[in-house]
Amino acid sequence: EVQLVESGGGLVQPGVSLRLSCAASGFTFSAYTMSWVRQAPGKGLEWVSTISGSGGSTFYADSVKGRFTISRDNSKRTLYLQMNSLRADDTALYYCAGNPGYTDYDTFEIWGQGTMVTVSS
Amino acid sequence: DVVMTQSPLSLPVTLGQPASISCRSSQSLVSSDGNTYLNWFQQRPGQSPRRLIYKVSNRDSGVPDRFSGSGSGTDFTLRISRVEAEDVGIYYCMQGTHWPLTFGGGTKVEIK
Repeated sequence: EVQLVESGGGLVQPGVSLRLSCAASGFTFSAYTMSWVRQAPGKGLEWVSTISGSGGSTFYADSVKGRFTISRDNSKRTLYLQMNSLRADDTALYYCAGNPGYTDYDTFEIWGQGTMVTVSS
Repeated sequence: DVVMTQSPLSLPVTLGQPASISCRSSQSLVSSDGNTYLNWFQQRPGQSPRRLIYKVSNRDSGVPDRFSGSGSGTDFTLRISRVEAEDVGIYYCMQGTHWPLTFGGGTKVEIK
C-alpha cells in the first residue's frame, strides 16, 4: 500500500526551528518528486516546496525561501522540511505529497495525512 | 505568479443533478512541451486532498466516471454528471506549468 506519514509538527514560539519528516512506503521513493503543501486553518492549499527524485533540484515558495529547506534521504525513504525563523503565518497543516517521475514537478498524485504546526507565543 | 480563480465559491447541488466548477488562470497553462498541467483535487471534510484529474482531462485511477475535466489555455471546468452524497467537499484546481505552483481558492460543494 502506498503511504506517506508525516511527523514532527507541534506548538512552537515565533522565531524557533522545527523539522518535519515524511516517511514513505509502498513505492519506489527515489523515483518520485516530493513536495510539501500546507493549509492554514480554514483556508485553502498553498504549495511550499518541491524536491526532485535525486534531491539535486529544489524549489521554494517566496513566502518560505531562505527560511525553509527541503531535503530527502532516499536510503531512509524519508522527506524532510527544516523550518527556521518560524512566524505566526506559518501556522498550518503541512502535507507531504508525491508524484511519480524524477523531475515531474507538475502535480501531486499521492498525499499524506498531514502534521500540524502551530506558531504562537 | 499565476493566479487561479475558481467560481463559484459555494455550490449547493441537488442529489443526482449535475454540477460544474470553473477555473481560470491569469496566463496560459500550455507548457513549452505542449502539455497543459491543470489538475483538480477533492478534499472531503476532515480528509487530505485527493487528486481527481491531471493534465486537464485525465481521470485518476479509482475516480468515478461521473467526474470529468475539460478546457484549454486559461479556461477550465470540472463537471460532476450526477452529484452523490460522497461528493461533498471542497474542490481545488491547481496549475503545474509555471513556478510557483498555485492553487485556486476552492469551491465548496454541498447538498441542498
